[in-house]
Amino acid sequence: AQKVTQAQTEISVVEKEDVTLDCVYETRDTTYYLFWYKQPPSGELVFLIRRNSFDEQNEISGRYSWNFQKSTSSFNFTITASQVVDSAVYFCALSEEGVGNMLTFGGGTRLMVKP
Amino acid sequence: KAGVTQTPRYLIKTRGQQVTLSCSPISGHRSVSWYQQTPGQGLQFLFEYFSETQRNKGNFPGRFSGRQFSNSRSEMNVSTLELGDSALYLCASSHDRSYNEQFFGPGTRLTVL
Repeated sequence: AQKVTQAQTEISVVEKEDVTLDCVYETRDTTYYLFWYKQPPSGELVFLIRRNSFDEQNEISGRYSWNFQKSTSSFNFTITASQVVDSAVYFCALSEEGVGNMLTFGGGTRLMVKP
Repeated sequence: KAGVTQTPRYLIKTRGQQVTLSCSPISGHRSVSWYQQTPGQGLQFLFEYFSETQRNKGNFPGRFSGRQFSNSRSEMNVSTLELGDSALYLCASSHDRSYNEQFFGPGTRLTVL
């Protein structure tokens, strides 16, 4: 069975600091997809990135970057030069092949960026 | 393009009642999934509908049910409400294929008294 673990329940940083959110997953499938979502106080989950199991290239999008390492079953998310608007709960999620769009979420990491 | 809409946004019910929540997906999306979010259990998958058929179901009791209409709009129903059903219920829509990014609605916050 699949499982996603986000060991950091809460992180607090000061604006402009870099911060990395950890995500470790478990799956028996060789084909799977990993996602990151952001949940601001409004409650709506906002899609950030999707990565398939065959693509281990790291990705950068503005101040956001993702590091996918199959050897350690990790898919970490780094925010560079954090801003107050980055304050939210961030979820890592996994979808296995053959289960449609079912997502298994980690417990989430609450990020607080202080001015 | 309009996003995923959910109605109502807030709901207060008492134990034993039943409730129906509605979700309208993004135009053109045929897959609708439902999730329950609670402080204790986090985000948990309820079920997914695709072209009016339930494609997948999470580990929830039979009191939780859903359906999808020909226009892809979906409803979920919870019968015989329990206090533990208090949660944020999120709906997500996506394109036909699996593994696509899912677009979430703002959720319906259900409080059971």
